[in-house]
Formats: sequence, C-alpha cells, structure tokens
Amino acid sequence: SQTIHQWPATLVQPVGSPLSLECTVEGTSNPNLYWYRQAAGRGLQLLFYSVGIGQISSEVPQNLSASRPQDRQFILSSKKLLLSDSGFYLCAWSAADSPLHFGNGTRLTVT
Amino acid sequence: GQQVMQIPQYQHVQEGEDFTTYCNSSTTLSNIQWYKQRPGGHPVFLIQLVKSGEVKKQKRLTFQFGEAKKNSSLHITATQTTDVGTYFCAGFEGAQKLVFGQGTRLTINP
Repeated sequence: SQTIHQWPATLVQPVGSPLSLECTVEGTSNPNLYWYRQAAGRGLQLLFYSVGIGQISSEVPQNLSASRPQDRQFILSSKKLLLSDSGFYLCAWSAADSPLHFGNGTRLTVT
Repeated sequence: GQQVMQIPQYQHVQEGEDFTTYCNSSTTLSNIQWYKQRPGGHPVFLIQLVKSGEVKKQKRLTFQFGEAKKNSSLHITATQTTDVGTYFCAGFEGAQKLVFGQGTRLTINP
C-alpha cells in the first residue's frame, strides 16, 4: 500500500534562517506531488505541484521554492524565512485525477 | 484561474441538528472532491462526485453535485461530536492542480 512521510512534525525557526521540509512517498510510481500551506484557521493554499522529476509548477510568488530530485521525493525550501511563512505545511500525493493523500503536516513557527 | 467558494465559513450547531455546507465553482468541474480535516490533523478524502446531478450517501452524510457541475453540497443529518472539523470541497483546474475551497469549520455543542 502507499504511504507518505513528511517531516519534521513541528519546527521553530528564526526569521532569516533557511528551511528544508522533506516529503517522500512509498508504494507508487510517478505520483503527482503537492505542497499546500494552511494559515491558522484558514483554507489550503496551493504552493507547488509536480507531475514528474524536475517538473515544478509554482502557484504563489514568494520566497519559497520546491524541488523534486527523485520520483517520490518532494522538498520545500527557503533561503531566508519571513514571519509570514509561519503555518501548517502539507505535502500530498495523487495519481492523475484521483484524490489527494496528505502527509501529517509540518507546523512551522517563524520567530 | 478557477475559484472555488465555500459557505458558510463557520457553523456551530447543537448535537443532533443538521448541517450543510455549500460549494460553488467559477468554472465547470470535471469532478468534485470532499475532504474532512479534524482539529490538529490533516485533510482526509471523503468522496468524489463525477456525474451531473449525482447524489452519494455515506451513513449520515449526503453529497450532491449540481446539474451544471459548478456547485456541490454536503449535508450531515443529526450531527454527532465526531463530526467536528473543517470540511473542504475541491475541484481540479486542469488534470493535476487541485483547488480547495476555504472550508467550513463545524463545531458542535454536545
């Protein structure tokens, strides 16, 4: 069966520090991969999605970037965090036109 | 781009009362998906509707897809405390990009 791993679960980082969140999927090949962000009590904002290795679509211009170095690995990065980057970051995978399966998320607090 | 609007944003009910959330898209959807997010958790897929006018039931939950495939609703009959959470609808823009509504947060007074 397919599983998705996302870490860390929580993270507290100072303003201006770098960020790297990793997500891996097991049990499937060539999944669509997604990064969403959820501010406290708010909806899901699509940040990036990828349909294949090295293929990244960016939805919101900001100081975040994403990479897909391997088929089932999706990484969210920032060179310098802002206070506004705080939130709940969710990685998800899907087969084409199929439901999304979310990881447990990372709660990021930028101080 | 496609917009998916969801109302109400919040709903507080007494346990045993019914609950409905509505979803409207600015464009025709190929299908619509519904997710539930428990407090502190991640969204979990509930159901997908594909056909115009489709109605599906899961125990006390009834999902409808509009005839024009631009709107949908989720109705919960006789809410229970386990129904607490945020309910999201979502539609695909293209084949890969899933756009979520803002969600309806349901709280229940036991």
